[in-house]
Amino acid sequence: EAQVTQNPRYLITVTGKKLTVTCSQNMNHEYMSWYRQDPGLGLRQIYYSMNVEVTDKGDVPEGYKVSRKEKRNFPLILESPSPNQTSLYFCASSLRGGSNTYEQYFGPGTRLTVT
Amino acid sequence: DAKTTQPTSMDCAEGRAANLPCNHSTISGNEYVYWYRQIHSQGPQYIIHGLKNNETNEMASLIITEDRKSSTLILPHATLRDTAVYYCIVRVVLSYGGSQGNLIFGKGTKLSVKP
Repeated sequence: EAQVTQNPRYLITVTGKKLTVTCSQNMNHEYMSWYRQDPGLGLRQIYYSMNVEVTDKGDVPEGYKVSRKEKRNFPLILESPSPNQTSLYFCASSLRGGSNTYEQYFGPGTRLTVT
Repeated sequence: DAKTTQPTSMDCAEGRAANLPCNHSTISGNEYVYWYRQIHSQGPQYIIHGLKNNETNEMASLIITEDRKSSTLILPHATLRDTAVYYCIVRVVLSYGGSQGNLIFGKGTKLSVKP
């Protein structure tokens, strides 16, 4: 089954404790992206990746890091989480190039609470 | 900033057609109109997209005005499971990808389908 998976689905942590949220897709997609969703603000893009070893900042990259060492994986790293990073996080992937259908497939979400 | 304007909320009776409007008066000639929906706290789901012609798929129809400044998403026979937030997004689709391909979500329309 074609899908985007995220782990963990729920996480409660404390300020300053480094954490990683994993994202994996099995569709051989080149493009992957991370969003955060907060009440009243909608979905905002954090980082995206056009391909392996190619990443770029989205609209709200502060406090986050990403890496793209393999095509299927795009982990989101919070080196020193703070309470304002409490949010619902979504990973997404899509085909890129040669297609006019840039349908993005989203993962199920990771609800992060930083105390 | 999102380039679209949508009503905050709408109601629809189960079994009736749901017509969700979207204004995108500043749309450029190479920008597509995309619709996604998000069922409570799940990842957003692609519905349909179009450039200037009306489009239909198994989920919905998309009607784009001739001047392309607005569009309407039509769910022909709404069910309770169609209750969700619906996002109208305009974006450039490039054959080689690029940052213009990123999705910018606004606040969407909360559609409530009632029995």
